[in-house]
Amino acid sequence: TQLLEQSPQFLSIQEGENLTVYCNSSSVFSSLQWYRQEPGEGPVLLVTVVTGGEVKKLKRLTFQFGDARKDSSLHITAAQPGDTGLYLCAGAESGGSYIPTFGRGTSLIVHP
Amino acid sequence: DSGVTQTPKHLITATGQRVTLRCSPRSGDLSVYWYQQSLDQGLQFLIQYYNGEERAKGNILERFSAQQFPDLHSELNLSSLELGDSALYFCASSPGDSNSPLHFGNGTRLTVT
Repeated sequence: TQLLEQSPQFLSIQEGENLTVYCNSSSVFSSLQWYRQEPGEGPVLLVTVVTGGEVKKLKRLTFQFGDARKDSSLHITAAQPGDTGLYLCAGAESGGSYIPTFGRGTSLIVHP
Repeated sequence: DSGVTQTPKHLITATGQRVTLRCSPRSGDLSVYWYQQSLDQGLQFLIQYYNGEERAKGNILERFSAQQFPDLHSELNLSSLELGDSALYFCASSPGDSNSPLHFGNGTRLTVT
């Protein structure tokens, strides 16, 4: 069973700071998604990365997929209180049914 | 709004009881996934259906079962409930193509007392 390790587990920072969260696995993924989940709601997709080495930007968020497609990072520049939430990465191995496996997430709190 | 609807939003029941959770997928999506989310385990995949057929099974207990109906809505049945079954249960849907991201509902919070 593939395992996705996310770090750090918790992050509490001040508004305006930069941060990076990591998602690592020993498995190779055909694709990897990042989601954000707020209390009382389901995870919401932020981005999908498919190609090794791919970098995608979404406003202040930068996502990178590792060259070997085993790991990914999410960098947030100048964090804002609205970025507060649980950040989840999810990957699926190629072949067979498409079943995303989720990491346990990074819980981010951004203080004003 | 993801377009995925889950009911009920909250459910409180006693040990030994049986409950049914309902999910309506996004319009046009053929695939439905069920996940369980708890504080200590994170999001755990339970089962997937595609166009009415079971496609994949994860860590789903024998006391749990699911089905997808011809109109594509899905139900997750949990029976002989135990305290440890208390969790958030999420349904997600996708078109069914490989690498298509999942769109999640807002979950059903189940509390077993």
